[in-house]
Amino acid sequence: GDSVTQTEGLVTLTEGLPVMLNCTYQTIYSNPFLFWYVQHLNESPRLLLKSFTDNKRTEHQGFHATLHKSSSSFHLQKSSAQLSDSALYYCALRGGNMGYKLTFGTGTSLLVDP
Amino acid sequence: ETAVFQTPNYHVTQVGNEVSFNCKQTLGHDTMYWYKQDSKKLLKIMFSYNNKQLIVNETVPRRFSPQSSDKAHLNLRIKSVEPEDSAVYLCASSRDWGGNYAEQFFGPGTRLTVL
Repeated sequence: GDSVTQTEGLVTLTEGLPVMLNCTYQTIYSNPFLFWYVQHLNESPRLLLKSFTDNKRTEHQGFHATLHKSSSSFHLQKSSAQLSDSALYYCALRGGNMGYKLTFGTGTSLLVDP
Repeated sequence: ETAVFQTPNYHVTQVGNEVSFNCKQTLGHDTMYWYKQDSKKLLKIMFSYNNKQLIVNETVPRRFSPQSSDKAHLNLRIKSVEPEDSAVYLCASSRDWGGNYAEQFFGPGTRLTVL
């Protein structure tokens, strides 16, 4: 079945430094949808980014990600971290025929220090 | 206001009791979901309904049963709760299941504590 791997459980960095959260996936389907969801403390997850186009950069709220089907990756990046970016980030996959289901990674907690 | 609403916010109960959680979405979406988020923040799909029809039923214990009266409502009943059911239950909806409309909108969650 589909799977999503987020290798870092916790990423801690100083405000102003660049952010990169890793996401790789596995699916048998050739046209997957990839998503990044963000969950702030005591809130529910909300969509940050999504993509289904190979090698096209997608951006929102200062974050960006590019779906690379050749490496099955969809890493989340930001040029300069802010304190308000501290949150839990989930990468999620919608495989081809499993349109009703998203498979989530284990999540990466991002902690930005002043 | 258009959003996904869940009741109750919190529920504390004892092992063996029955509980029910409600979810309503006013976004006009066709598909609704129940997720379980455990203490380690793992987020797993439990059920998915499209236009009142059960589409996805992951491997969950039989004591869990979803109920949908119309496409705007999806409830979750747990017949006899166990300690491992303690978690946050998140309801979500999406406009459709495929194409560019797979984005899911989440409700605030119901935190269940089983004593």
